[in-house]
Amino acid sequence: DAGITQSPRHKVTETGTPVTLRCHQTENHRYMYWYRQDPGHGLRLIHYSYGVKDTDKGEVSDGYSVSRSKTEDFLLTLESATSSQTSVYFCAISEPTSGTPFFGPGTRLTVL
Amino acid sequence: DAKTTQPNSMESNEEEPVHLPCNHSTISGTDYIHWYRQLPSQGPEYVIHGLTSNVNNRMASLAIAEDRKSSTLILHRATLRDAAVYYCILRDTGNQFYFGTGTSLTVIP
Repeated sequence: DAGITQSPRHKVTETGTPVTLRCHQTENHRYMYWYRQDPGHGLRLIHYSYGVKDTDKGEVSDGYSVSRSKTEDFLLTLESATSSQTSVYFCAISEPTSGTPFFGPGTRLTVL
Repeated sequence: DAKTTQPNSMESNEEEPVHLPCNHSTISGTDYIHWYRQLPSQGPEYVIHGLTSNVNNRMASLAIAEDRKSSTLILHRATLRDAAVYYCILRDTGNQFYFGTGTSLTVIP
C-alpha cells in the first residue's frame, strides 16, 4: 500500500468552527488531491496540488482552502464549518508519469 | 471536464465473468481511462488503467472501444470479495481525476 495517512480519521465539530484535515505521504509524489464523498455524488474533487506551494481548485472548492508547504503534507481547511460539509474526505497522491492515484483511508467529518 | 457514465448497479453470480460498462463520449485523445473499486468504509483501490489498447493484470482486464468512447472492465471470475462500487474515471492532461457515481456490484453466492 502507498504510504498515505490522514488525520484525524474521525471528527465531530460544531457549525462555525474552523477545521483542518491533514494528509501525509511518504512516497515523495508530486501531486496531491482532496476529495469529498457524499451519497449519490461519488467522489468530487475539492482542491489539488501539483507541487510545493502550487495548488488549484477542483469542482467543489467553495468553503475550502488548502496549503502545501512541504512535499509530504497537504492540508485542507474549512474556515467556518457548515453542516453541508459533513462528509467523508479522501486524500490521494500521484506521480505525473504514471498518473495512477493512490488514496488514503479517509476522514469522516460531522458538522453539527 | 471529462465525465463518465456507468449503470448504478449490477449483479453477478459467483464464479461467473462480469462485464462492467462505462461510457466516456467526451474523452480527449490524451485522457487515460482508470478503474477503481471501493469497499465499504475504505478508500478507492486501483484496479487497472489504459489509453488505447486492451490491458490485462492479475485483477481484471480492460477492453477499450476503438473510438475510445466506451470501455468495459472485465472480472473473469467474480468472487464475494469483488462486491464493491466500481468507478470508471478519466485522467486529463492536468492530472485531474473526475469520478462519477460508479456501479455497485453485487455478487450472488
